[in-house]
Amino acid sequence: DIQMTQSPSSLSASVGDRVTITCRASQGIGNDLAWYQQKPGKAPKRLIYAASSLQSGVPSRFSGSGSGTEFSLTISSLQPEDFATYSCLQHKSYPLTFAQGTKLEI
Amino acid sequence: QVQLQESGPGLVKPSETLSLTCTVSGGSISSVSSYWSWVRQPPEKGLEWIGYVYYRGSTNYNPSLKSRVTISVDTSKNQFSLKLNSVTAADTAVYFCAREGGDGDLDYWGQGALVTVSS
Repeated sequence: DIQMTQSPSSLSASVGDRVTITCRASQGIGNDLAWYQQKPGKAPKRLIYAASSLQSGVPSRFSGSGSGTEFSLTISSLQPEDFATYSCLQHKSYPLTFAQGTKLEI
Repeated sequence: QVQLQESGPGLVKPSETLSLTCTVSGGSISSVSSYWSWVRQPPEKGLEWIGYVYYRGSTNYNPSLKSRVTISVDTSKNQFSLKLNSVTAADTAVYFCAREGGDGDLDYWGQGALVTVSS
């Protein structure tokens, strides 16, 4: 299985801050990575696919980068609605694996 | 816009079988580019992919659950289902159904169904 490691596991920030979350894969996965946002009691919402492509309808303050084993999600200017948990998913090979997530708190 | 909705019992006794159904609307479950997955999330923990079914009935399961999982499809009802047998408290989780689309990741998700394993 491909192991996904995300850092940090939690992050405190303020409205307007720029934040970056990192995911590392245990082996190369090309750009077969997606980022999700999840709020309490809700399903994950896809933000980024193919490592850097922005999902339609997602604000442009979200961006993704990376390939191979190192990936990052950046929120350029935090908004109140962005406080949530963020997780990455690799789909290079089965089983699909998620990282444990980053809880972004005020 | 594809929509998915989970349904099934919210409480299952230990050693019994957990059964959930996902109803797909706004699109056909027989789409050649779609694989229909189950994902679960234990309380306060991360997401775990359980497996998928293709409309023709082929499946792929997470090795960690393979011995206890069956995922099946009913194209006539536009539904797919999950069965997990011999459950324990460790199987208590929110279970999501999701679509793996042309991009290869999980693009559409159901709202999730909490299943508690308890006597």
